[in-house]
Amino acid sequence: QKEVEQDPGPLSVPEGAIVSLNCTYSNSAFQYFMWYRQYSRKGPELLMYTYSSGNKEDGRFTAQVDKSSKYISLFIRDSQPSDSATYLCAMRKPTGGGNKLTFGTGTQLKVEL
Amino acid sequence: GAVVSQHPSRVICKSGTSVKIECRSLDFQATTMFWYRQFPKQSLMLMATSNEGSKATYEQGVEKDKFLINHASLTLSTLTVTSAHPEDSSFYICSARDHEGGFNSPLHFGNGTRLTVT
Repeated sequence: QKEVEQDPGPLSVPEGAIVSLNCTYSNSAFQYFMWYRQYSRKGPELLMYTYSSGNKEDGRFTAQVDKSSKYISLFIRDSQPSDSATYLCAMRKPTGGGNKLTFGTGTQLKVEL
Repeated sequence: GAVVSQHPSRVICKSGTSVKIECRSLDFQATTMFWYRQFPKQSLMLMATSNEGSKATYEQGVEKDKFLINHASLTLSTLTVTSAHPEDSSFYICSARDHEGGFNSPLHFGNGTRLTVT
C-alpha cells in the first residue's frame, strides 16, 4: 500500500464548476500538507501549505485537512480553463529526513469551456 | 519570491556521455536542495538530498556514482548523470527550501530538465 493515495483522473469539469481533489494517507506522522499544481513539462508550483488539521483559503482555493480520517482536500471555486493541470498532494513529517516530501501520483484536471 | 531556476530545460545526449543539470535559488539561500525524478504520469520520486558543503544523501536504489551531486554554494546544486543510458531518460526536477524560512518552510521547485538519451 502506498503511503499517499491519489486518484489520477483525468477529471473533466465545465468552466465555473467547483472542483474537489482529494488524497488519503496511511502514516499518521504526517503533519505538513501541501498542494502543488504542475503544468505539462513544468515543475510543480506550490498552491497551498497547511499544518495539521483545519482549513485554509487563498482566493479561489481552499485546502482542508482531516487528520482523524487521514484525508486532505483541495477545492477550486469558479474553475477556469487555466486551472487545467495536474494537481499533486504532498506531505511530510515534522522531524527527521530533512524536508523529505511524500507525493501522491497527481490528479489530472481539465476545465472545459 | 522563492524562485528556483533549473538549466537546461531540455537536453538530448548520446548513450555513454555525461550530462550536468544546474539548480539555482535566485532570491534566497538554500542549504538543502532536493533532486527528484518523474516518469510520465507518475509522481515525483526523491533521488537525493543535496547539502551545501557536504556529501549528498541518496535514497535507496539510487546509484551515487551514476548521479553525482555537488552543492558548492548556498545558491547552486548540480546533478551530473554519468555514462547516461536510454533508461536514464526522464524528467529531473530540483527543489529548495529558503534557509531563512526555517525547517518548516515549504519547498519550491524548478521547472525541470527533460533528459533524452539516444
